[in-house]
Amino acid sequence: DADVTQTPRNRITKTGKRIMLECSQTKGHDRMYWYRQDPGLGLQLIYYSFDVKDINKGEISDGYSVSRQAQAKFSLSLESAIPNQTALYFCATSDLDSSYNSPLHFGNGTRLTVT
Amino acid sequence: LAKTTQPISMDSYEGQEVNITCSHNNIATNDYITWYQQFPSQGPRFIIQGYKTKVTNEVASLFIPADRKSSTLSLPRVSLSDTAVYYCLVGEPGRRALTFGSGTRLQVQP
Repeated sequence: DADVTQTPRNRITKTGKRIMLECSQTKGHDRMYWYRQDPGLGLQLIYYSFDVKDINKGEISDGYSVSRQAQAKFSLSLESAIPNQTALYFCATSDLDSSYNSPLHFGNGTRLTVT
Repeated sequence: LAKTTQPISMDSYEGQEVNITCSHNNIATNDYITWYQQFPSQGPRFIIQGYKTKVTNEVASLFIPADRKSSTLSLPRVSLSDTAVYYCLVGEPGRRALTFGSGTRLQVQP
């Protein structure tokens, strides 16, 4: 979805380095998410935020932190990167209407390699 | 969170109807069933969502039996471009973040 922008698209970093992945959206959605996908596997939820003051841990939050700087921005940090954090990272947004139809809108992903 | 079980993979041919079934035995009263499609190196894309009975849109149909312990995504007349991974998610999209399972890898042959 072009309205959800992730930067960078690709990143190679070394073990122990701190890195930040950024996500911005122009959809005006309150809800934002970070998912991780390992090769050939499904997506795992890292963190999610239902509004600017709300941050929640997902299934695999250890080793990660997030910051919701504004409604439109949600960044993911790896404080000390390790090789098994090598994966494809997706940011997503969603809204909620009265019919509960609130599909996730995904960015194009950030491919992270930790050497 | 309700867990889902899907076949790991399916094969089909162009022009055929494909039905992918998802099992969700511990679905809760307020849970909705949502299906996504994912192409390689892209984020998943919403296909369809339902609560009970049948839902149809321009892309697919979703069949949900009365007990809601399973659901079936139906793709009419698939083409090569339908080759993708399909995920079934169960939960309250307005209250909790949805969790993805491993999905079903659909391969459409000419």
